[in-house]
Amino acid sequence: QVQLVESGGGVVQPGTSLRLSCAASGFSFSDFGMHWVRQGPGKGLEWVAVIWYDGSKRFYGDSVRDRFTISRDNYKNTVYLEANSLRAEDTAVYYCARDDGIGATHIDHWGQGALLTVSS
Amino acid sequence: QSVLTQPPSVSAAPGQKVTISCSGSNSNIGNNYVSWYLQLPGTAPKLLIYDNNKRPSRIPDRFSGSKSGTSATLDITGLQTGDEADYYCGTWDSSLTSWVFGGGTKLTVL
Repeated sequence: QVQLVESGGGVVQPGTSLRLSCAASGFSFSDFGMHWVRQGPGKGLEWVAVIWYDGSKRFYGDSVRDRFTISRDNYKNTVYLEANSLRAEDTAVYYCARDDGIGATHIDHWGQGALLTVSS
Repeated sequence: QSVLTQPPSVSAAPGQKVTISCSGSNSNIGNNYVSWYLQLPGTAPKLLIYDNNKRPSRIPDRFSGSKSGTSATLDITGLQTGDEADYYCGTWDSSLTSWVFGGGTKLTVL
């Protein structure tokens, strides 16, 4: 079955950087787009970024564009989110999620999430 | 403010039917498929409806979706206490070139 396991969360100071990873298994990783979605404390879902199945296209939400970078390694079945210039408002649970197509179809599977806390 | 608009909360009694709306625009709902997600407290979201009205095999037919113009609707019949959760609509926005979610609707089964 599809499994998505996030790692790399933790507590960091404002202005610093962090890389989240998501290890995928149970499906042909290189055939599917991958998303990152976050959820701040007590808040709704906020889409962060998507990368196409082959890495050819990447799109970002307004609040993270120019600070976050999504990437993938189709040999390691892993998707990454490099988060720079972190702010308190980036504090959230970050979910890795699979697109049911190349990248802009719909999300059909979610990981359990990784908590990132940005605090001094 | 979310690009897609959902009511913050809805409620109904066990066994009844509830409808959750999701309103958008031509650049999102009007020209793209809508999906719906359920999030139980403390858990990751899961897919309920995709392509406006299709259900993954594991989802019971008490859950149904529809779309008309720039709005979409999730219907839940035969409400159970276990249906208490947050529900989100989502779709691709062709103008923003981004995925967008509604703000979420909290369902209370009285």
